[in-house]
Amino acid sequence: GQNIDQPTEMTATEGAIVQINCTYQTSGFNGLFWYQQHAGEAPTFLSYNVLDGLEEKGRFSSFLSRSKGYSYLLLKELQMKDSASYLCAVLDSNYQLIWGAGTKLIIKP
Amino acid sequence: EPEVTQTPSHQVTQMGQEVILRCVPISNHLYFYWYRQILGQKVEFLVSFYNNEISEKSEIFDDQFSVERPDGSNFTLKIRSTKLEDSAMYFCASSPGQGLAKNIQYFGAGTRLSVL
Repeated sequence: GQNIDQPTEMTATEGAIVQINCTYQTSGFNGLFWYQQHAGEAPTFLSYNVLDGLEEKGRFSSFLSRSKGYSYLLLKELQMKDSASYLCAVLDSNYQLIWGAGTKLIIKP
Repeated sequence: EPEVTQTPSHQVTQMGQEVILRCVPISNHLYFYWYRQILGQKVEFLVSFYNNEISEKSEIFDDQFSVERPDGSNFTLKIRSTKLEDSAMYFCASSPGQGLAKNIQYFGAGTRLSVL
């Protein structure tokens, strides 16, 4: 079966750095996405990795290792507004997005 | 910035009734999708649509569900006879389908469906 694992919840301090990990086992791979979702709202696109390595976009970076079935999202200089769920999703061989359950990130002052 | 729009934001219906959820994808996008998210659970793929036909669908997307692109802008999800367990947030998404960002899916704000 297809499986995406990420921690259920993480807590971090405002101004700090946090790394959210994601491991996946899917039938095929056409890229890995990270989305941010505030409660009751739509997922908002953050990053897309299709090749191994690090993609940096402002305060957010995403890393992919296809051989390990592993990715992480790195958030720097945390702000209170970063409190949200972070969803890892993989595009499988049928171009279906398979979603993780999300990591709820709590930012404390 | 172009965005996916969905209407209504909240739909309340009686069990057994038909509902139609509406979406306007981003105008130059070629692929359209419907997802659902039951409260507190993960996002689940329902269906993808390309070139006026379904390209992929999940096990959830049974005969009670259908999609349509009635004109050049709207993309609808119909549930023929709603069940209590259809209560969820339904998200529409679209992706360019070409270029470097071809697979990036952009989501609408969702329609919250409550079946009573």
